[in-house]
Amino acid sequence: RKEVEQDPGPFNVPEGATVAFNCTYSNSASQSFFWYRQDCRKEPKLLMSVYSSGNEDGRFTAQLNRASQYISLLIRDSKLSDSATYLCVVSSTYGGSQGNLIFGKGTKLSVKP
Amino acid sequence: GAVVSQHPSRVICKSGTSVKIECRSLDFQATTMFWYRQFPKQSLMLMATSNEGSKATYEQGVEKDKFLINHASLTLSTLTVTSAHPEDSSFYICSARDGSGGARETQYFGPGTRLLVL
Repeated sequence: RKEVEQDPGPFNVPEGATVAFNCTYSNSASQSFFWYRQDCRKEPKLLMSVYSSGNEDGRFTAQLNRASQYISLLIRDSKLSDSATYLCVVSSTYGGSQGNLIFGKGTKLSVKP
Repeated sequence: GAVVSQHPSRVICKSGTSVKIECRSLDFQATTMFWYRQFPKQSLMLMATSNEGSKATYEQGVEKDKFLINHASLTLSTLTVTSAHPEDSSFYICSARDGSGGARETQYFGPGTRLLVL
């Protein structure tokens, strides 16, 4: 089983749509969770961290379910500029200690006019 | 946010040559830097973890004699791909951890280096 699994997509949605991405992770000891965004041929950029209580940043909402080892990202009112690949990322450490990020393959989103 | 630079951004070389990639943290001290590799349509895969002043820790399956890592200062790490071959063609990305610590891990990624070995 892969450490971090995501539906590769692509998700093709119209502008203004709401879209949700899911991710599962295999290591129950994982401590930190993130969503990154990667544009074509560019480096990944942190979109948001994911906390157990769930968190929201504008049109983006992230949820974590530790019991199910499941992470989600909801994008409301999609914009053309949201088109990118969204990477689910997990780390086994918490806080300032040494930690490696485990990346999923990403889910590709394409927002159409 | 913090800025990490990589140089060169793109390199094309002949098979058998060595290529050096630099990763610099521009406005913070990075006690730890990470080197990743990403093949087309694949996820980023960690190659090695580099700590300033000590030997790098390589992930399983990554040849330390082929991918030489040097982290001589708190702002610079280098990755040298020795005797590069076409199968080494990939997107190499470094990231740097802000050594000031904090409640959550933060890795800042460089813009990546695209290597093509002919």
